[in-house]
Amino acid sequence: GAVVSQHPSRVICKSGTSVKIECRSLDFQATTMFWYRQFPKQSLMLMATSNEGSKATYEQGVEKDKFLINHASLTLSTLTVTSAHPEDSSFYICSAINRGRNSPLHFGNGTRLTVT
Amino acid sequence: AQSVTQLGSHVSVSEGALVLLRCNYSSSVPPYLFWYVQYPNQGLQLLLKYTTGATLVKGINGFEAEFKKSETSFHLTKPSAHMSDAAEYFCAVSDRDTDKLIFGTGTRLQVFP
Repeated sequence: GAVVSQHPSRVICKSGTSVKIECRSLDFQATTMFWYRQFPKQSLMLMATSNEGSKATYEQGVEKDKFLINHASLTLSTLTVTSAHPEDSSFYICSAINRGRNSPLHFGNGTRLTVT
Repeated sequence: AQSVTQLGSHVSVSEGALVLLRCNYSSSVPPYLFWYVQYPNQGLQLLLKYTTGATLVKGINGFEAEFKKSETSFHLTKPSAHMSDAAEYFCAVSDRDTDKLIFGTGTRLQVFP
């Protein structure tokens, strides 16, 4: 079964509103979570790395004020797309790992965000 | 910097035919290499990975890949394609100090009856 749960799977929002996406590790403690973005028919681009209890590290070109990442616990990381615009419409995928236990990396099933 | 190149954005095979998906990588240090499969509107499922040791890696669903350092390649193969193999396949690389994956652009596999 799924070990990383991502919610919601689909969300439609109006331009200017904010959307929060949750990524939960179900049966392990995730010391590190990654957030990816995937445009239609394209590859996954790493947006940021979040370690529990510390600020996320954003990849070059990713606006940290636009994409707020919180990793407040060992089982939950959230990505908030603030003041969403149609160009933010994309497929967002999280992945999680427990580095201390050298566990494998697990991916969530993704969230399809559509901004109208 | 690490990078991954997947040759062929689309591959079509007949059911029962050999599947070959190509992946070449660039890395200044010995990499970890991965193949993932993605079904429509879903996340990624790990097929197989190479870290150290045997260069021929066997994965799930009958897939395997061979790490060839001299060719900087990690091609994915399956002897006999099944209809259920139709999906998007991503090759990825990471270094040994982080778990950050760098993905290739993906190859869409179509399987015809």
